[in-house]
Amino acid sequence: AQSVAQPEDQVNVAEGNPLTVKCTYSVSGNPYLFWYVQYPNRGLQFLLKYITGDNLVKGSYGFEAEFNKSQTSFHLKKPSALVSDSALYFCAVRASGGSYIPTFGRGTSLIVHP
Amino acid sequence: NAGVTQTPKFQVLKTGQSMTLQCAQDMNHNSMYWYRQDPGMGLRLIYYSASEGTTDKGEVPNGYNVSRLNKREFSLRLESAAPSQTSVYFCASHLQGVSTDTQYFGPGTRLTVL
Repeated sequence: AQSVAQPEDQVNVAEGNPLTVKCTYSVSGNPYLFWYVQYPNRGLQFLLKYITGDNLVKGSYGFEAEFNKSQTSFHLKKPSALVSDSALYFCAVRASGGSYIPTFGRGTSLIVHP
Repeated sequence: NAGVTQTPKFQVLKTGQSMTLQCAQDMNHNSMYWYRQDPGMGLRLIYYSASEGTTDKGEVPNGYNVSRLNKREFSLRLESAAPSQTSVYFCASHLQGVSTDTQYFGPGTRLTVL
């Protein structure tokens, strides 16, 4: 079985400050990890993914995520938050040798204050 | 290239009514999915289709049926709508492969069952 936990329902950060949205996962074997973003009244959009290689993955809009195998985490980060980053963020995981269907977390609402 | 399109965008039904949600993708993807999104629940998989001609149940299939009409289209049918099916429904498509292992989502259908 595979699962994802996003421990924070909401993250608040001031514009210009660094942001972190947390994700931990559980999967048998090697993980494929994903972050998606959902803006209000829109579908999910792909941000970045970890398949293999460098533990620090860079994605769209200045976001990056760090894969930590020992802590089974894949936290999303950005050095300087923008008000326009305010959205719902979803982490997802699937096993590299298993079903190609990912399991999504419950989502974290990021609010960036001016 | 429209990506993934869904119709309708909004729908209000009375309990017991039926309706079909339509989804189409123009990216030549082999896999397609239907999810529902409820507050605090994240995305839950209803049905998926790994390829044209095949469909399988996901996490929450009860009360729904699907048809993979051809490679482009994947419809979701509610035979007898219930208030518990009030939700936002997302269709997604996916081209399997390590380098392309991301899902593309439609804009969603907001369904209210009275």
